[in-house]
Amino acid sequence: AQSVTQPDIHITVSEGASLELRCNYSYGATPYLFWYVQSPGQGLQLLLKYFSGDTLVQGIKGFEAEFKRSQSSFNLRKPSVHWSDAAEYFCAVVTSYDKVIFGPGTSLSVIP
Amino acid sequence: DARVTQTPRHKVTEMGQEVTMRCQPILGHNTVFWYRQTMMQGLELLAYFRNRAPLDDSGMPKDRFSAEMPDATLATLKIQPSEPRDSAVYFCASGESGSGNYNEQFFGPGTRLTVL
Repeated sequence: AQSVTQPDIHITVSEGASLELRCNYSYGATPYLFWYVQSPGQGLQLLLKYFSGDTLVQGIKGFEAEFKRSQSSFNLRKPSVHWSDAAEYFCAVVTSYDKVIFGPGTSLSVIP
Repeated sequence: DARVTQTPRHKVTEMGQEVTMRCQPILGHNTVFWYRQTMMQGLELLAYFRNRAPLDDSGMPKDRFSAEMPDATLATLKIQPSEPRDSAVYFCASGESGSGNYNEQFFGPGTRLTVL
């Protein structure tokens, strides 16, 4: 069955430090993958997506993610975190028939 | 800019009452999704529509929940009767299936439901 795991429930980083959020998926075919961000009290906003081609994907707000088929991973990175990046981050994979399966989310806290 | 809108943003009701949540998808989008988000369960897909036809509502408790799209500009999610365990944030999302933006979903701000 298709699934998405995000091993880290909560991460705290210092402002200016680098960030990596982990995502692993289980899907038989070539996956379509997303990262979404949810700020408190808001809906989810798409950060970036991978469909095919270059395995390093650039997104909004300075985020990037790298698709690694051999590791079934799609980790999200940012070289320098800003206080405004504090939010919940969701990795997601598309299954058949338009359905998207979301991971449980990683909560990011940023300390000054 | 184009956004998914949801009403109401907040709803407090008593157990047993009917609750109707509304969603206006982005104009031109042909898929609509309803999700429920709780601390315990995370983000759960309740139902989704393509071209106004329901494709999958397997995530929805059938005895009390119903989802419809009366027209292309309105999706509704109804709970009757409501129970305290239905307390959650309900999100609507819309997208363009088959346009190349494969399954990218645009989320509304959510309806926070509290059932007392």
